[in-house]
Amino acid sequence: DAKTTQPPSMDCAEGRAANLPCNHSTISGNEYVYWYRQIHSQGPQYIIHGLKNNETNEMASLIITEDRKSSTLILPHATLRDTAVYYCIVSAWRRDDKIIFGKGTRLHILP
Amino acid sequence: NAGVTQTPKFQVLKTGQSMTLQCAQDMNHEYMSWYRQDPGMGLRLIHYSVGAGITDQGEVPNGYNVSRSTTEDFPLRLLSAAPSQTSVYFCASSADRGNTEAFFGQGTRLTVV
Repeated sequence: DAKTTQPPSMDCAEGRAANLPCNHSTISGNEYVYWYRQIHSQGPQYIIHGLKNNETNEMASLIITEDRKSSTLILPHATLRDTAVYYCIVSAWRRDDKIIFGKGTRLHILP
Repeated sequence: NAGVTQTPKFQVLKTGQSMTLQCAQDMNHEYMSWYRQDPGMGLRLIHYSVGAGITDQGEVPNGYNVSRSTTEDFPLRLLSAAPSQTSVYFCASSADRGNTEAFFGQGTRLTVV
């Protein structure tokens, strides 16, 4: 079973920030949080990952709560091309062999 | 740098036929895996490999075989195709076990009639 819980769908207006939540209340100390997205029927695409500090790259920001039990992926200025299913995964580097995806959040960007 | 390459992109099989889905990566990644995705569903792990000569089962391994004779290649075999195996299949690779900064192929859309 997936170790994360995400809302099945969300809407966001184009140009606004999209904030996608993920609950991982059973996360252990050596597990990272990873985010992927899947646009239409393409292969999933890596977005960002973090351990406990907030992270930012050219695609998104990742905010992890201090207790690490939840996180939020932020797309700062959503465009129609960000319409996709977003997956949140937790995994321990060099320990977890089975990388399990949940059902993710389907993000609709509204024009 | 091609990344992860899957062939074929589309395939139609008759029930009972066998076939091999090919997956190759050119990044010298140790970890490779196969997922299937059914309409409206997330990705389900079929088999994975943590290195050449080592494979193991994922969530839904029945009806599929794999082998890993080289670091680059990780083929998925359907021994006797069934309509329930109609799906989109994705291959992925990453540098290490548990490192889910993974690269995915573009998928193979398989229909079993």
